[in-house]
Amino acid sequence: GENVEQHPSTLSVQEGDSAVIKCTYSDSASNYFPWYKQELGKRPQLIIDIRSNVGEKKDQRIAVTLNKTAKHFSLHITETQPEDSAVYFCAALNTGGFKTIFGAGTRLFVKA
Amino acid sequence: EPEVTQTPSHQVTQMGQEVILRCVPISNHLYFYWYRQILGQKVEFLVSFYNNEISEKSEIFDDQFSVERPDGSNFTLKIRSTKLEDSAMYFCASSPRERSGEQFFGPGTRLTVL
Repeated sequence: GENVEQHPSTLSVQEGDSAVIKCTYSDSASNYFPWYKQELGKRPQLIIDIRSNVGEKKDQRIAVTLNKTAKHFSLHITETQPEDSAVYFCAALNTGGFKTIFGAGTRLFVKA
Repeated sequence: EPEVTQTPSHQVTQMGQEVILRCVPISNHLYFYWYRQILGQKVEFLVSFYNNEISEKSEIFDDQFSVERPDGSNFTLKIRSTKLEDSAMYFCASSPRERSGEQFFGPGTRLTVL
């Protein structure tokens, strides 16, 4: 069945450093790739997304890259701040049926 | 800014009982979803709903589960006979037509089955 692998499961960085989280998807029909940030006890919040016709997208300190051939996509956070500490989930879906498969999550710790 | 809302925030039930979880999606959205998240684990897709019918469902969404949009605003998830393993946080989400796939999540309902 469809699967999304996400690495690493835990990531600890110093404030100001960059953080990179990587995901691989299996369903070649996937055409939309969102990233969510989830703080403890809260709802997932969409932070950035990318569609399959684009290779890279940036929004201030956050960027996402997509390699459709390799079925990889990555989240890059630059100049990390303590408030970036949270669990980050990648996801992949096909906007034909909208079945959304999430990765297992990455717990990011940003040390002040 | 409009948000997805869910009620109740916490539901406690006995095994074997039926529960209905309620969601009010953002008013002009056309696509609706239910997810569950067992404590400390990933978000798992249950079902997507569009044009008054199910678009996709996962293996988790068996015949114990059903969804309904009984009126123009509510979207409900029913679990007919709850099991201990149904204990989880259940999130509703909705998407607008013009940005399909971009999902806005509700705050969740924590379901505890005793």
